[in-house]
Amino acid sequence: GENVEQHPSTLSVQEGDSAVIKCTYSDSASNYFPWYKQELGKRPQLIIDIRSNVGEKKDQRIAVTLNKTAKHFSLHITETQPEDSAVYFCAATDGNQFYFGTGTSLTVIP
Amino acid sequence: DTAVSQTPKYLVTQMGNDKSIKCEQNLGHDTMYWYKQDSKKFLKIMFSYNNKELIINETVPNRFSPKSPDKAHLNLHINSLELGDSAVYFCASSPGTTADTQYFGPGTRLTVL
Repeated sequence: GENVEQHPSTLSVQEGDSAVIKCTYSDSASNYFPWYKQELGKRPQLIIDIRSNVGEKKDQRIAVTLNKTAKHFSLHITETQPEDSAVYFCAATDGNQFYFGTGTSLTVIP
Repeated sequence: DTAVSQTPKYLVTQMGNDKSIKCEQNLGHDTMYWYKQDSKKFLKIMFSYNNKELIINETVPNRFSPKSPDKAHLNLHINSLELGDSAVYFCASSPGTTADTQYFGPGTRLTVL
């Protein structure tokens, strides 16, 4: 089955700096890679996703890149703000099962 | 405009009891899921279910059983609750019958005393 690894587990950045979270996957059949944000006490919510036919996708301050050859994908947050503080999860699926990474706790220091 | 809802939001119970958590989605999705999130925030899939197939994570004890009265509902029944069952349980749904974007419910915090 698929194995999704996520790094780092915790990340602290100064407000305005960029944050990068990386995930690797093992199954080359995986073709959909979403990112979820979970604020304290709330539900995970989709913030951006990418499919295997695309190398990069951007939505305002967040972007995701995918390297199919190396089997890794990354979340980039620019100009971080205190409200970006949350736990971020990557995930991968081949359409049969959903596999989440172990999460990254991001703290943006004002 | 609630898309995926769960009840109850909090559940406190004694060891050995049997309890159920209800989940409903009004998105018209074909597949529903149950996840367990432990104190370390790991999201572990327990079940996925569409109208044709139930996929069970083999690590889930058989004390846990999903029950689906119809496509919009997937309830979670837990027998003989144990201390280690304390966690937040999330229901989710996705369109179609293949794993795709997950829409999560608000979660149920279960505490077993």
